[in-house]
Amino acid sequence: AQRVTQPEKLLSVFKGAPVELKCNYSYSGSPELFWYVQYSRQRLQLLLRHISRESIKGFTADLNKGETSFHLKKPFAQEEDSAMYYCALPPKRGYGKLTFGQGTILTVHP
Amino acid sequence: NAGVTQTPKFQVLKTGQSMTLQCAQDMNHNSMYWYRQDPGMGLRLIYYSASEGTTDKGEVPNGYNVSRLNKREFSLRLESAAPSQTSVYFCASSEAGGGQGEKLFFGSGTQLSVL
Repeated sequence: AQRVTQPEKLLSVFKGAPVELKCNYSYSGSPELFWYVQYSRQRLQLLLRHISRESIKGFTADLNKGETSFHLKKPFAQEEDSAMYYCALPPKRGYGKLTFGQGTILTVHP
Repeated sequence: NAGVTQTPKFQVLKTGQSMTLQCAQDMNHNSMYWYRQDPGMGLRLIYYSASEGTTDKGEVPNGYNVSRLNKREFSLRLESAAPSQTSVYFCASSEAGGGQGEKLFFGSGTQLSVL
């Protein structure tokens, strides 16, 4: 069965420090992976997706098929990055029914 | 453009009571979903509707029922609430047929407490 694991429930860094939120997945084949973010008092929203190869708000994520990982990285964290982050995996068949990881709460201290 | 609208935002129930969570989207999306969010468990899919007139169970459907009333609306019903159903509930929608690259749009959530 496909699975998404985010090993860190909480992650704290200081402003300006690099940050890496870990995501490991279990999936046979080439997955499309997503990172969603929920800022305080805001809706859960898409941050970035693997297929787009984009950098959003300074965040990037690289799919490593050998390590089955899709870690989210930012070289210099900002206080406004503090949020709950979810890694998500789509179904093998069909669409939309994402499987989410457990989530990581990132706190960026001033 | 409201996106996905959920009501109510907060609800307290006693064990055994019933209630319906309402969800509506104005983006003309075909697919709609109900997730629950629990600490340490992440988001888990309760039910989804790939298109109007169809519904299917997700990962944690027990104790819930859903109705896809029309293309816009997808409601979640708790027939006999239990304390284990205390959670934050999110409705979401997406376009269909886009393969794996689906982007979900979420509502603001319903915080439900069952005493």
